[in-house]
Formats: sequence, structure tokens, C-alpha cells
Amino acid sequence: DQQVKQNSPSLSVQEGRISILNCDYTNSMFDYFLWYKKYPAEGPTFLISISSIKDKNEDGRFTVFLNKSAKHLSLHIVPSQPGDSAVYFCAASVSGTYKYIFGTGTRLKVLA
Amino acid sequence: DTGVSQDPRHKITKRGQNVTFRCDPISEHNRLYWYRQTLGQGPEFLTYFQNEAQLEKSRLLSDRFSAERPKGSFSTLEIQRTEQGDSAMYLCASTISAAETQYFGPGTRLLVL
Repeated sequence: DQQVKQNSPSLSVQEGRISILNCDYTNSMFDYFLWYKKYPAEGPTFLISISSIKDKNEDGRFTVFLNKSAKHLSLHIVPSQPGDSAVYFCAASVSGTYKYIFGTGTRLKVLA
Repeated sequence: DTGVSQDPRHKITKRGQNVTFRCDPISEHNRLYWYRQTLGQGPEFLTYFQNEAQLEKSRLLSDRFSAERPKGSFSTLEIQRTEQGDSAMYLCASTISAAETQYFGPGTRLLVL
């Protein structure tokens, strides 16, 4: 069973525009969520996280939104840059379990 | 560079051989995790250590897999009698107690022929 789902395998966005990456989860026990970026042949790099006590967290060009009732989170990148082209993974965990459940990733391509 | 390091970065082996991977976490991090990532999938949790104690193992970790962290610093992941299905990227991550964010190494890509 896929507890964390990223239903869009790929996304193309023009440079300077907004990129919106989506993630859905099924386990209502999840209370901590993260986004990672991954370039080819490298490990995932932490981008931003959000606890379930919040519905929004912002860090520079990156904002994560959490809708607990819909069990949905999204990552907004504004403005998108060519260097943002990578695979983005969302991950979820239950605090104290110390392990992440990852989605399958969305490949973002930012076109110059 | 004070990030998580993994060695080797790439490993090609023949089916039936044993392989061992090493992970050096960020120095003050006492939690260390192993994940496996196959093509088109996200990383899947394998096991984790707090200091030298292995606290949880996924059912993905068959009897052919063993992980150790003898001194609570670096960790090794050994796969015995490798199978083609073991071909994957093996990722290590670390974090400090009471922190939720894990930091990943570059991974070891294993190809079993």
C-alpha cells in the first residue's frame, strides 16, 4: 500500500513561473512532512519541512502548504529557476517513529 | 565537507557474491538510517540505529542483509549472496536525537549481474 502518493511523475514549468508539486497521504497518524530534492547520482537534499500543527511554512522561494483534512500537501517554488530541475520527493513520518515514508517523486523541469 | 559520506559510490558484482557498504554520518549525529531506492520509486526504509543499537528493521531487510554500527559512529551494510533484485541505490542518512530532519549521503549504487 502506497501511504504517500505523488500522482504526477513529471512537470514542466517556464522559468520565472510558479511550480506546484503535490503530494497526498493516507495515514492520518503522519504528523511531520518533508520535501527533498534529488539530482541524478546524488542523495536527496532536504528542502523544507512542516509539522502538522502548521498549515504553511515558507523558506525563501519554497513554501509548503498542508491541508490535513484533505491529507494533502504541496510545494510551491516561486520563481522557478533552471537549477530547480530535479526529482522532488515528499516524505511523511509519525513523530517518534524515526522513519520516513517517501512518495515516488515528481520530476520537475524548468525551461529557460 | 561535514556531510554524510558513503563508500563506495558504485559497486558492480556478480550474483552470489557478498558486498559491504560503509556510511559515515555527520559527526554529532547519533541516529543513522539505511534506505534503498529502486528505479521509479522513492527511498524505502531498511533499518536504523541509535548510537550502536539497531532499533528497527524493515521486513524488506531479508536474512541476507545485515547492518552494524559497532562504535556508534560509522555503519556498514552487508548483503550476502547477492541477487539481481538487490540492484538499487543504497542510501544512508543521519540525524541528531530529537530532531526530525534526516540528512542523506550520496548513496551507493549497486548493480548485480
